[in-house]
Amino acid sequence: EDQVTQSPEALRLQEGESSSLNCSYTVSGLRGLFWYRQDPGKGPEFLFTLYSAGEEKEKERLKATLTKKESFLHITAPKPEDSATYLCAVNSGNTPLVFGKGTRLSVIA
Amino acid sequence: SAVISQKPSRDICQRGTSLTIQCQVDSQVTMMFWYRQQPGQSLTLIATANQGSEATYESGFVIDKFPISRPNLTFSTLTVSNMSPEDSSIYLCSVRDSGEGYTFGSGTRLTVV
Repeated sequence: EDQVTQSPEALRLQEGESSSLNCSYTVSGLRGLFWYRQDPGKGPEFLFTLYSAGEEKEKERLKATLTKKESFLHITAPKPEDSATYLCAVNSGNTPLVFGKGTRLSVIA
Repeated sequence: SAVISQKPSRDICQRGTSLTIQCQVDSQVTMMFWYRQQPGQSLTLIATANQGSEATYESGFVIDKFPISRPNLTFSTLTVSNMSPEDSSIYLCSVRDSGEGYTFGSGTRLTVV
């Protein structure tokens, strides 16, 4: 059974204080690992898909990396508008997506 | 990427009643997915809706409780039947995008009292 564990559950950063979010996964035959951002009262917003170990993708202050067991979402010099819940999900076989519980990020000005 | 219109955005319902949630996609898609997000929990897949066939339900979810319709390639509904307070959640529809990811609707926040 596919499993996704995200840590920490919550993270509080000062503006400009870089950090990383972790997503550990167990899956039989990874087809893709996805990162989403979810703001309160809204649906998840797609950020990245990673397909194989060693792959990296960047978007503005965010950079996602992937190994065979985990993925990291690095946030460089975050701003208050980066405050959100970040969700990690994996896709294997016929199951569309299996999600972790998310990391709730707060960036304080 | 696909754009999904989901409604209602929120509702407060009496226990024992039913609520139907609608999702409209701006392009034709083969599969639509329905998720539940309980407070403080991750998204859990309820079912996959294919046009022209019955929906496929995940373990723990049954058609009598969550009937799904998929009349065409751009539209689907999820009904939450005979509601109890335990059904209070956010319900989300999703489609596989033509790009790399899955696109989600804005969600329906359901409170059962």
